[in-house]
Amino acid sequence: GAGVSQSPSNKVTEKGKDVELRCDPISGHTALYWYRQSLGQGLEFLIYFQGNSAPDKSGLPSDRFSAERTGGSVSTLTIQRTQQEDSAVYLCASSFLSAGGRADTQYFGPGTRLTVL
Amino acid sequence: GDSVTQMEGPVTLSEEAFLTINCTYTATGYPSLFWYVQYPGEGLQLLLKATKADDKGSNKGFEATYRKETTSFHLEKGSVQVSDSAVYFCALRNQGGKLIFGQGTELSVKP
Repeated sequence: GAGVSQSPSNKVTEKGKDVELRCDPISGHTALYWYRQSLGQGLEFLIYFQGNSAPDKSGLPSDRFSAERTGGSVSTLTIQRTQQEDSAVYLCASSFLSAGGRADTQYFGPGTRLTVL
Repeated sequence: GDSVTQMEGPVTLSEEAFLTINCTYTATGYPSLFWYVQYPGEGLQLLLKATKADDKGSNKGFEATYRKETTSFHLEKGSVQVSDSAVYFCALRNQGGKLIFGQGTELSVKP
């Protein structure tokens, strides 16, 4: 079956521009996560959408970062006024939620490589 | 806060050698533990997991046992192959659902 898909696969932008990154989770997965992978910081959690609950935004590094999830499926991560330190691979993952609301195994997409010049 | 510490890489081994990658964690409560692998040019893939103390996760010849008393989840394989060359990430999942990753260990297996 189809896995998690992300677009674009690569994005090059100029400092100060806004970018939008898209994630299509596995069909039926109600939980969706964003992480980023950078040389200096490793793999960092950004934000977590859990069903209809309020998202956990505790990992967003600044107010320039935001994300939304429309219709409980597709998610968009937006970075405003990009900075060079935002250059990283942005990973999306999705999972089922158990009957008790506990997240199951997360499956990752291929990522979007963002380069800010 | 919760955290994961892995042994630093790169680790270089000859084919058929024994592999251990150490992973220890700090967490409140009873997290689930994972090993993810990232092959060159590919995305993160789940390798194995364990959800409670003394559970052993296994896949593709790799094993790891959830040791609550030593807060460890070391990855082992008895005989590595060149195709195992990749970066390995240990991770925990706390009650909140997000994964907390170690810094990754690069493994290079030479023929």
